[in-house]
Amino acid sequence: QVQLQQSGPGLVKPSQTLSLTCAISGDSVSGNSGAWNWIRQSPSRGLEWLGRTYYRSKWYNDYAASVKSRITINPDTSKNQFSLQLNSVTPEDTAVYYCAREYWNPFRVDVWGQGTTVTVSS
Amino acid sequence: DIQMTQSPSSLSASVGDRVTITCRASQSITRNLNWYQQKPGKAPKLLIYAASILQSGVPSRFSGSGSGTDFTLTISSLQPEDFATYYCQQSYSTPYTFGQGTKLEIK
Repeated sequence: QVQLQQSGPGLVKPSQTLSLTCAISGDSVSGNSGAWNWIRQSPSRGLEWLGRTYYRSKWYNDYAASVKSRITINPDTSKNQFSLQLNSVTPEDTAVYYCAREYWNPFRVDVWGQGTTVTVSS
Repeated sequence: DIQMTQSPSSLSASVGDRVTITCRASQSITRNLNWYQQKPGKAPKLLIYAASILQSGVPSRFSGSGSGTDFTLTISSLQPEDFATYYCQQSYSTPYTFGQGTKLEIK
């Protein structure tokens, strides 16, 4: 059974960097079955896909255009986890952040982390 | 980006009712459409993928249909645990996008 456990701070100051980690059990971050995603949810923006990382002989990343200049998603194979970094945050980045596994063929997000409420405030 | 539009935004129904939620994509997504259920304070839960395939462990009263731009989620006989918010999501191309949600409430 695949499980995802999120960790990271719930409060970030404006202009600073939001950092979250997602630890994987029951699957491998470098497996070939899918990809590892970050998705956020806020009342104003609904569910918003931020990006993903996956391994297919080499590492790939896809990012949403809305955050592309500020986001980095990195795998950590030694700890079997992946991380989200979002730079230069503003109050508009306040949201519940989820990590999630995307399984391929057909494509679907089938496992979600527990969610982390992140507030951007001074 | 592909826009996903759900209707209705909210719906009141009774236990035992048959309910249908609609999702429309701004362009063809073939059958790359998933449905999720979310309860307050919880992460979304996958119900249906590839438009009509029931995720393992999901009750058979849930079903999905459609292809191209128009899709439906049907709950054949509402149970008390089904009152939640439902989202569609296209997995045809990134950025993946979600509908705005349909809140299903008890009448």
